[in-house]
Amino acid sequence: DADVTQTPRNRITKTGKRIMLECSQTKGHDRMYWYRQDPGLGLRLIYYSFDVKDINKGEISDGYSVSRQAQAKFSLSLESAIPNQTALYFCATSDLFHSSGGRNTGELFFGEGSRLTVL
Amino acid sequence: AQTVTQSQPEMSVQEAETVTLSCTYDTSESDYYLFWYKQPPSRQMILVIRQEAYKQQNATENRFSVNFQKAAKSFSLKISDSQLGDAAMYFCAYRSARGATNKLIFGTGTLLAVQP
Repeated sequence: DADVTQTPRNRITKTGKRIMLECSQTKGHDRMYWYRQDPGLGLRLIYYSFDVKDINKGEISDGYSVSRQAQAKFSLSLESAIPNQTALYFCATSDLFHSSGGRNTGELFFGEGSRLTVL
Repeated sequence: AQTVTQSQPEMSVQEAETVTLSCTYDTSESDYYLFWYKQPPSRQMILVIRQEAYKQQNATENRFSVNFQKAAKSFSLKISDSQLGDAAMYFCAYRSARGATNKLIFGTGTLLAVQP
């Protein structure tokens, strides 16, 4: 089983619908992230969380909300989906203490992505 | 704010040949990390190689190596003896060593095709 699991893998929905993308991890990491990938734009950070009480906006948080239900679970919601939110969404985790020579290297571990299409 | 630029949207290489993917970045910081991630058609993001800015030696992982030029803020990826399985989108990414948010800033990607 994957260490970082995203559901659903693919979803087609209509404008105005509420959508939730879920992410769960078995790596025991405290940091979790939601990124969005668009062609020609790379990956951009939507939200990130250090723990269940610490949620932070990324560079493109408008139109999105998140919930950290537990250390292992981090969900992304689109309250009213619009077509320009059509994208590939990635959840990722990171361990503060993943280290190389005592330093935090900050490697991200990604889920397999959730492709969302908003019609 | 830091930025990462990949100026080659697409590249092509013959099987068994060598190809170099370019990446430049802009930062005022002196301590940071640089990464190359591979995204094959399966969509999975796979870490290829990591470079710590305070290390002068270029990182190497089997057929993958980097040319890290700190003064020029350049971080290119060289793939030697290219294989069909190397065909993928490649992303360069930057992470500040300051703080512990571990946020990565990504470039726009380079799509690599490998011709048999």
